[in-house]
Amino acid sequence: KAGVTQTPRYLIKTRGQQVTLSCSPISGHRSVSWYQQTPGQGLQFLFEYFSETQRNKGNFPGRFSGRQFSNSRSEMNVSTLELGDSALYLCASSLPVQETQYFGPGTRLLVL
Amino acid sequence: AQSVAQPEDQVNVAEGNPLTVKCTYSVSGNPYLFWYVQYPNRGLQFLLKYITGDNLVKGSYGFEAEFNKSQTSFHLKKPSALVSDSALYFCAVRFSNSNSGYALNFGKGTSLLVTP
Repeated sequence: KAGVTQTPRYLIKTRGQQVTLSCSPISGHRSVSWYQQTPGQGLQFLFEYFSETQRNKGNFPGRFSGRQFSNSRSEMNVSTLELGDSALYLCASSLPVQETQYFGPGTRLLVL
Repeated sequence: AQSVAQPEDQVNVAEGNPLTVKCTYSVSGNPYLFWYVQYPNRGLQFLLKYITGDNLVKGSYGFEAEFNKSQTSFHLKKPSALVSDSALYFCAVRFSNSNSGYALNFGKGTSLLVTP
């Protein structure tokens, strides 16, 4: 099976802009989670979607949002970008009752 | 709150020697614990997990981990290190909310350097 794919892999934006990142889970996986990885804060949970519904949300401002489509693909959006949003954004998918999350390669976002 | 701690920022070991990467946990109830590895400019790769059962868990690439309830630890081990094992290692614990959603809380990571 193909793994989790994320697009784009690299992105450069300027402050104030917005960005949309995409994630395609492993075939058959219906749960998709997003994480932010930075050198200072490490890996932090953003949100989790299952069957197009947000089931869990981390402690991030409302500028960070996401959605999931009927084919389980997910997008996350960050509006009004700040310099501190520069990070590696990781998407992970899992089966509905399986504990293991499988990660994609990430999208590296640089905000200038 | 469910959390894990990795007390070492970096572990250095010579190739062929055994390696240990430490992780301690703080959870209410039964812990669901994981180890992941990250190579430069890559995502996280799943190594192994402890849900229940045997305290010694075997995973990918020859890694294993020992769950110790009395010491609240879940250390990652490998009998003989390879240079290619050099990477960033993360311990994680699963947490859930009332909506049946769940996520992972990660430790800050331990950089493993294996020298020839």
